[in-house]
Amino acid sequence: DTAVSQTPKYLVTQMGNDKSIKCEQNLGHDTMYWYKQDSKKFLKIMFSYNNKELIINETVPNRFSPKSPDKAHLNLHINSLELGDSAVYFCASSQRGPETQYFGPGTRLLVL
Amino acid sequence: QKEVEQNSGPLSVPEGAIASLNCTYSDRGSQSFFWYRQYSGKSPELIMSIYSNGDKEDGRFTAQLNKASQYVSLLIRDSQPSDSATYLCAVNKDNYGQNFVFGPGTRLSVLP
Repeated sequence: DTAVSQTPKYLVTQMGNDKSIKCEQNLGHDTMYWYKQDSKKFLKIMFSYNNKELIINETVPNRFSPKSPDKAHLNLHINSLELGDSAVYFCASSQRGPETQYFGPGTRLLVL
Repeated sequence: QKEVEQNSGPLSVPEGAIASLNCTYSDRGSQSFFWYRQYSGKSPELIMSIYSNGDKEDGRFTAQLNKASQYVSLLIRDSQPSDSATYLCAVNKDNYGQNFVFGPGTRLSVLP
């Protein structure tokens, strides 16, 4: 069974469109994250949710809106997509405390 | 100063040699430290975690932490071509384990 899953795996879309990426974890973890990995492979945290509550919101345009319907899911909605949003987006989860993060397979977003 | 720094590489070592990967961090209050391996096109996976000063060994991997010098390293003994990947150093900035900062990664190439 996949521990952290994301859909879709690939997303190609036009500038200005709105899209969503879904994430689910079956590890029973309390905390979920969204990361963006750009073309230079730099992995940067975007959001952190603990028990459905937003804990960390790094400097991210407000076109990005996370939603956590329950502890096992954290979705990412992106409005008005821009060329610079092209990247790989990783979802991750961890247990509360300084524990290991487990990453999903990533969603490769290409904005044309 | 960036929060977590690593040499970007590539670091090339012959098969069977010891590969030494280094990482420095700026937040003196950081509590936990992680090394992740990321193969091209894949998601990061945990190699080692370390929380206290000294060495921690797991198979061919040894993590070393020196909080006074704000330095963490990863040694890979008997390097194999399958170890060729990007190695990401991650630092947990808070005590609740929810604010990870990743370094830019070091690309390791093990030559057969």
